[in-house]
Amino acid sequence: GQNIDQPTEMTATEGAIVQINCTYQTSGFNGLFWYQQHAGEAPTFLSYNVLDGLEEKGRFSSFLSRSKGYSYLLLKELQMKDSASYLCALESVDSWGKLQFGAGTQVVVTP
Amino acid sequence: DTAVSQTPKYLVTQMGNDKSIKCEQNLGHDTMYWYKQDSKKFLKIMFSYNNKELIINETVPNRFSPKSPDKAHLNLHINSLELGDSAVYFCASSRTNYGYTFGSGTRLTVV
Repeated sequence: GQNIDQPTEMTATEGAIVQINCTYQTSGFNGLFWYQQHAGEAPTFLSYNVLDGLEEKGRFSSFLSRSKGYSYLLLKELQMKDSASYLCALESVDSWGKLQFGAGTQVVVTP
Repeated sequence: DTAVSQTPKYLVTQMGNDKSIKCEQNLGHDTMYWYKQDSKKFLKIMFSYNNKELIINETVPNRFSPKSPDKAHLNLHINSLELGDSAVYFCASSRTNYGYTFGSGTRLTVV
């Protein structure tokens, strides 16, 4: 299986940094995705990691360590609009683009 | 222009009815999906089509039947609706390694 674990909720203040961890158990996967989902809206793509290491995209960075079964999404200079659910997802090697999602981490940004 | 559009956005219906949700993408992607997001916000794959061919069919009751008339469209028909079918259904499309683009979701409520 591909059990994917993320914290349920995190709270941080505007301007701060928050790190959302994602751990998984799997025998293999193509890549790891992070999605953002605002309440009542569709998930939107944030990042994709295939190789170990850090991928930086503006205020958002994502890190992957395959040997440790671990990824994190780093959100810097938090803004109120970053309040959302953040979903970690693994792309299966054996099915065409099939993604298995974690339950998501609800990030609450306070003033 | 909307990339992945699904209709209707909201659907309220009685138990036992049959209903359809339509999805269209104008991104030129070859693969389309249906995902279900339950009340706990878990996103789970239901079906996937690649160039009109069914390639993923997860353990889903056979009351659910997808149809892909062409690679830009993937519809979902549900027979004999049950209370437990209440959820948000997301259509998505993808190109390999580039993640998904999701539709805005259809909130189905069975009463």
